[in-house]
Amino acid sequence: DTAVSQTPKYLVTQMGNDKSIKCEQNLGHDTMYWYKQDSKKFLKIMFSYNNKELIINETVPNRFSPKSPDKAHLNLHINSLELGDSAVYFCASSQLLGIGGTDTQYFGPGTRLTVL
Amino acid sequence: AQKITQTQPGMFVQEKEAVTLDCTYDTSDPSYGLFWYKQPSSGEMIFLIYQGSYDQQNATEGRYSLNFQKARKSANLVISASQLGDSAMYFCAMRAPTGANSKLTFGKGITLSVRP
Repeated sequence: DTAVSQTPKYLVTQMGNDKSIKCEQNLGHDTMYWYKQDSKKFLKIMFSYNNKELIINETVPNRFSPKSPDKAHLNLHINSLELGDSAVYFCASSQLLGIGGTDTQYFGPGTRLTVL
Repeated sequence: AQKITQTQPGMFVQEKEAVTLDCTYDTSDPSYGLFWYKQPSSGEMIFLIYQGSYDQQNATEGRYSLNFQKARKSANLVISASQLGDSAMYFCAMRAPTGANSKLTFGKGITLSVRP
């Protein structure tokens, strides 16, 4: 069974379009994340949600809007796509623990977005 | 602010030999976690090993071990008995602070090639 799944795996679209990427986790975790991996393979966090509440929003353009309908889902909607949005987007999930705990983040397979 | 440094260029190792991938970190948080992830050419992010800042012993997971030197702020990954399937990009990451604001900060990664 897939622990963290994303759809679609590949997304090719024209500049200016609006698109969404969906993420689901069946690990029972309470926290979900979106990361962006650029063409140089650098990974950077975009957002995190804990129990459907936005916790981290890392200087991401407001064209990017995450939505968490429930703890198991975190979707990413992108408006007015630009060439620079081309990247691989990873969803991840973890279970928040206190000090001394292990809150390993498990990643989805990634969505390769290409903006033409 | 948290920082992860991976400065090695592409690494090469002979099959069945051991290899060490370097990682240094910087943080002012007393509680943090260090992670290593593997990204093969297929693109997924695979969790390998975790080390907590308060852990007294170095973490081990099968052929993976983490050489944690807290005073030197280093968290090197050691892969023993390398296999061809170990060829991939390896990312060191740090989770800080602990709690709801927790996020992973990644290094730029190291490419490992295993030679037959």
